[in-house]
Amino acid sequence: QKEVEQDPGPLSVPEGAIVSLNCTYSNSAFQYFMWYRQYSRKGPELLMYTYSSGNKEDGRFTAQVDKSSKYISLFIRDSQPSDSATYLCAMSAIDSGTASKLTFGTGTRLQVTL
Amino acid sequence: GAGVSQSPRYKVAKRGQDVALRCDPISGHVSLFWYQQALGQGPEFLTYFQNEAQLDKSGLPSDRFFAERPEGSVSTLKIQRTQQEDSAVYLCASSLARMGEDEKLFFGSGTQLSVL
Repeated sequence: QKEVEQDPGPLSVPEGAIVSLNCTYSNSAFQYFMWYRQYSRKGPELLMYTYSSGNKEDGRFTAQVDKSSKYISLFIRDSQPSDSATYLCAMSAIDSGTASKLTFGTGTRLQVTL
Repeated sequence: GAGVSQSPRYKVAKRGQDVALRCDPISGHVSLFWYQQALGQGPEFLTYFQNEAQLDKSGLPSDRFFAERPEGSVSTLKIQRTQQEDSAVYLCASSLARMGEDEKLFFGSGTQLSVL
């Protein structure tokens, strides 16, 4: 079993829909939780960064972390065709003096249709 | 430069050949990471540098993989005697600082390695 589980999709939604993406994890040591967006043939781009539990909002994006359930979510409001990409969850513990030794999920492919 | 630059963008190697992949991080970024992304998978950690010091190489799959960053800037990932299972996208990322929000990772577009 992988440390981080993420449904690979694909997930297809109409423009304007609310998108819900999520990951589960098994390592209790994870303290930093991130969501990355990756367009085809590009590197991942950081969307949201959360330390420990709680919610964080940035524009149309909301990240939630529930450490008790080992479950994290990303919500995208008013989805746009430009949101079509693969969304990767990532997480880390304090290791080697860095929070950037990341364990990624498989990624969920999202398609927003007109 | 404006972002993390990786070269070559694509590399085709015959099995058994040695390859070298280059990463130019964002100027002034202290930390540099290498990740490997297989098709349809998320990136997997390979190794991490802070300046010229390689602080963690626990993700390197075998002793055929070697990374260096001799002057604390440009980094090279070398793979000796390539095997088909080495085929993947190799991503480099850099960040300004060690911890906290400033540790935001900026990824390059990667080098896609195909071993025939």
